[in-house]
This record gives sequence, C-alpha cells and structure tokens, in this order.
Amino acid sequence: GENVEQHPSTLSVQEGDSAVIKCTYSDSASNYFPWYKQELGKRPQLIIDIRSNVGEKKDQRIAVTLNKTAKHFSLHITETQPEDSAVYFCAATDSWGKLQFGAGTQVVVTP
Amino acid sequence: DTAVSQTPKYLVTQMGNDKSIKCEQNLGHDTMYWYKQDSKKFLKIMFSYNNKELIINETVPNRFSPKSPDKAHLNLHINSLELGDSAVYFCASSQGRTNTEAFFGQGTRLTVV
Repeated sequence: GENVEQHPSTLSVQEGDSAVIKCTYSDSASNYFPWYKQELGKRPQLIIDIRSNVGEKKDQRIAVTLNKTAKHFSLHITETQPEDSAVYFCAATDSWGKLQFGAGTQVVVTP
Repeated sequence: DTAVSQTPKYLVTQMGNDKSIKCEQNLGHDTMYWYKQDSKKFLKIMFSYNNKELIINETVPNRFSPKSPDKAHLNLHINSLELGDSAVYFCASSQGRTNTEAFFGQGTRLTVV
C-alpha cells in the first residue's frame, strides 16, 4: 500500500518569509496529490492539489511541485502571514482511491 | 447548507458503552469515508463506501461497524468502547473514488473515560 512521509514535523517562520514542506510517497501508481490545511479545532480543507500529468501548480502565494521520478512533492508558501499558521497535510491517492495522509507539519508564523 | 455534517460534535462516554456517529453529505457525492485523527494529529483512513458499497476497510477492530443506508449517509457504530478509541473522527465525501477532493465534516471528538 501507499506510504507517505512528510517533513518537517514543525516549521517556524518569520512573517513574510517562505515555508517549504516536503513529502515522499512509495506507490508509483499514485496519481493525485492534494494538500490540506487544518486550523486548530477545525476540519482539514483542501488548499491545492496536483495530478501526475503536471509538474507544478500555483495559486497566489501557494505552489506545489511534483517529481514523479523521485516520488516526491512539495508545498511552497511565499510571503507567509500569521493566518497561515496551521497544520498542513500532504496526501497521495493510490489506484484504489485510498487517500493516505502524511503525518502533518505544524507551521507557526511569527509576526 | 453545510456540505458534510456530522453529529454529535462532542461525545463523552464510559468504557464499555456502545455509541454511534452520524454523517450526511448534500454534495451528491458517490464516495464517503471515515477517518480517525489521533492525539498526534495523524489522519488515518478507516473505511470508504462507494454508492453504499464498502470498498476500503482498513485494519480496524471489528468493534467498529460502518453503515451506509444510502449514498448520502455513512454512520459509524462503535461497540464496547475502549480508552484508546478516544480521538477525533472525521467523515468525508468525494465525487468518485480517485483523483478528487475530499470534503471533510467538522469532526466528532470522542472521549472515552
């Protein structure tokens, strides 16, 4: 089955700096890679996703890159703001439709 | 007009009791899921149903029994609750089984005492 590893587990950045979270996956058949943001006490919500036929996708201050050969993908947040503080999860969907999540990254943006 | 709704939001119960969590989605999605989020925030899939049919059944104790009366509802019944069952349980739904966004409910915080 799919195994998703995520690093780092915690990330502290100064407001305005960039944040990068990296994930690797094991199942070469995986073809969908979403990123979820979970604020304290709230539900996980999709912030961006990428499919295996695309190498990079950007939406305002967030971007995701995918390297299928190396089986890793990354989330980049630029010009971080205090409201970016949350837990971020990467995930990968295998051919059975099972969405496997990484362990999460606690991002803290300090003013 | 909540897309995926779960009830109850909080559930405190004693060991050995049986409890149920209900989930409903009004998005017209075919696929529904139950996830467990432990104290370390790890999100682990438990079950997935597609058009009322069980398609994913992870290694979960058989004290946990999902039921899908129709494709808009997926309930979770837990028998003989144990301390280790304390967690946040999230219901989710998606259109199709693969490559699509999963929409999560607000979660049910279960505390077993």
